[in-house]
Amino acid sequence: GENVEQHPSTLSVQEGDSAVIKCTYSDSASNYFPWYKQELGKRPQLIIDIRSNVGEKKDQRIAVTLNKTAKHFSLHITETQPEDSAVYFCAATNAGGTSYGKLTFGQGTILTVHP
Amino acid sequence: GAGVSQSPRYKVAKRGQDVALRCDPISGHVSLFWYQQALGQGPEFLTYFQNEAQLDKSGLPSDRFFAERPEGSVSTLKIQRTQQEDSAVYLCASSPLRSTDTQYFGPGTRLTVL
Repeated sequence: GENVEQHPSTLSVQEGDSAVIKCTYSDSASNYFPWYKQELGKRPQLIIDIRSNVGEKKDQRIAVTLNKTAKHFSLHITETQPEDSAVYFCAATNAGGTSYGKLTFGQGTILTVHP
Repeated sequence: GAGVSQSPRYKVAKRGQDVALRCDPISGHVSLFWYQQALGQGPEFLTYFQNEAQLDKSGLPSDRFFAERPEGSVSTLKIQRTQQEDSAVYLCASSPLRSTDTQYFGPGTRLTVL
């Protein structure tokens, strides 16, 4: 089955700095890679996703890059703000395949943005 | 519109008790997933429904775990004879139609087994 590794486990930055979180996956059949933000005691919220037919996707201050050859993908947050502080999870799945789209998650990154 | 809802939000059970956790997906969503999230970890897949059919239950940790979605909407996850290791947040997610669609998560049920 799929295995997703996520680094770093904790990340501390100053407001206005950039933050980068990296994930690797093992199953070359995986083709859909969402990123979720989870605040303490709240539900995971999708912040951005990417499919394997593109290499990069941007949405305002958030971007995701995908390297299929190396089987890794990264989340980039620019101009960080204190409200970006949360736990971020990457995930991977073979959407449309026999896995029915079930997500395999990384272990999470606790991002802290200091004012 | 209304998102995915789950009840109860918190459940405390004594070891050996049975519990039932409910998920109300977004109306009209065909796909429904259950995940288990241990403290400080990412969610882990438990089971998947497409309408009322349970197509994948490979993530259920033991035969004490049972899930159903009899009418293709509301789903219930039942845990029999709860053990301390069952303590976790149980998350439900739904998606509109295809396995390629975005999954929307509920707030979860935090289960504590004493």
